[in-house]
Amino acid sequence: DTGVSQDPRHKITKRGQNVTFRCDPISEHNRLYWYRQTLGQGPEFLTYFQNEAQLEKSRLLSDRFSAERPKGSFSTLEIQRTEQGDSAMYLCASSLGPGRRGNTIYFGEGSWLTVV
Amino acid sequence: AQSVTQLDSQVPVFEEAPVELRCNYSSSVSVYLFWYVQYPNQGLQLLLKYLSGSTLVKGINGFEAEFNKSQTSFHLRKPSVHISDTAEYFCAVSDILNTGTASKLTFGTGTRLQVTL
Repeated sequence: DTGVSQDPRHKITKRGQNVTFRCDPISEHNRLYWYRQTLGQGPEFLTYFQNEAQLEKSRLLSDRFSAERPKGSFSTLEIQRTEQGDSAMYLCASSLGPGRRGNTIYFGEGSWLTVV
Repeated sequence: AQSVTQLDSQVPVFEEAPVELRCNYSSSVSVYLFWYVQYPNQGLQLLLKYLSGSTLVKGINGFEAEFNKSQTSFHLRKPSVHISDTAEYFCAVSDILNTGTASKLTFGTGTRLQVTL
């Protein structure tokens, strides 16, 4: 396994601009998760997919956020009209599922977003 | 709703000393429990997990954790730490779906383990 891959690793953007992050899960992992982590805090759940279906979204995922996984493989997380409060690390994770094989969730290195 | 409390935000310890990082959870249903480690500017790496069976779980890098259902705790321990163990440690809990799979993870706020000579 090559691991969960995220791109870009770092992004600095001006307030009001749109940004998009990409996540490539481990091959054959049909579950994909997005989390957000701010400094000094634990990761907070945003949303998750099983194959191409988005099964759950957190209340943290405002209407400026949208996530897609069009072919059940890679996923994108787009933030429109960024605000300074969006500055955080966005973590992607994947797992095999359903079933007990899905009980190990593997995380990527994260994408850091700084909104100036 | 689930929640995870990590009582210690920072734990300083000398190299080769034992350490315990505390984790308590709140849930009205059966759960799975996890410990992850995060090194600076990196993602999270799974240390160990409790799904069922023996309440003492052994993980990577010499860490172990004990599930205590009556105290709703899942404390992480290592008998002798190394400088390289300096990192942020996160406890997490998940519901169990009817397929036996873990659902989304709910994390604690983390404990910074600082190992010094």
